[in-house]
Amino acid sequence: GAVVSQHPSRVICKSGTSVKIECRSLDFQATTMFWYRQFPKQSLMLMATSNEGSKATYEQGVEKDKFLINHASLTLSTLTVTSAHPEDSSFYICSARGQGTGNSPLHFGNGTRLTVT
Amino acid sequence: DAKTTQPTSMDCAEGRAANLPCNHSTISGNEYVYWYRQIHSQGPQYIIHGLKNNETNEMASLIITEDRKSSTLILPHATLRDTAVYYCIVRNNSGNTPLVFGKGTRLSVIA
Repeated sequence: GAVVSQHPSRVICKSGTSVKIECRSLDFQATTMFWYRQFPKQSLMLMATSNEGSKATYEQGVEKDKFLINHASLTLSTLTVTSAHPEDSSFYICSARGQGTGNSPLHFGNGTRLTVT
Repeated sequence: DAKTTQPTSMDCAEGRAANLPCNHSTISGNEYVYWYRQIHSQGPQYIIHGLKNNETNEMASLIITEDRKSSTLILPHATLRDTAVYYCIVRNNSGNTPLVFGKGTRLSVIA
């Protein structure tokens, strides 16, 4: 089945630094990837939609200059949290859908737990 | 906003069938019903999806009412490893449409 890989699975960084999270589709090409974040005891919240070769579309309230998304190839999207602060500590999850019919399921990475100290 | 309503939590005895309900009374004709689950500190795992016919795979069965306003996910023989949050999501069949998660149902399988 379709596999989405995220890296790193866990990262701790100091306040003010930037962190890059990678999301790869391992056995399919993903024209669209989605980035979510999840705070403790809450559900997943969509942050942005990443389209290969074009600018990402951000959800309301998500700062595009803070959460930089690059989707330069059909198998890789990256999310960079710039100038991270403790309130950015969260579980970040990407998902992707392979090319094909529109009702094919989205597959998720195993998430990246970011802790900003 | 999520277009589904699920119970907050449910318990199920190990080895018994777990029946997880979901209401989606405002579902549109081109929207599918998807089920995912999330085990603690992992990404969501796809379980099953359907449009109007009942579906079955190696993980579960999906029963969709004739009017499509509700559905039930059935785990035929629940195990302790099925303890997770289960999300019922409706989504149209456009490739660029994300999944919008509600609060889901926390299923606890008890030995």
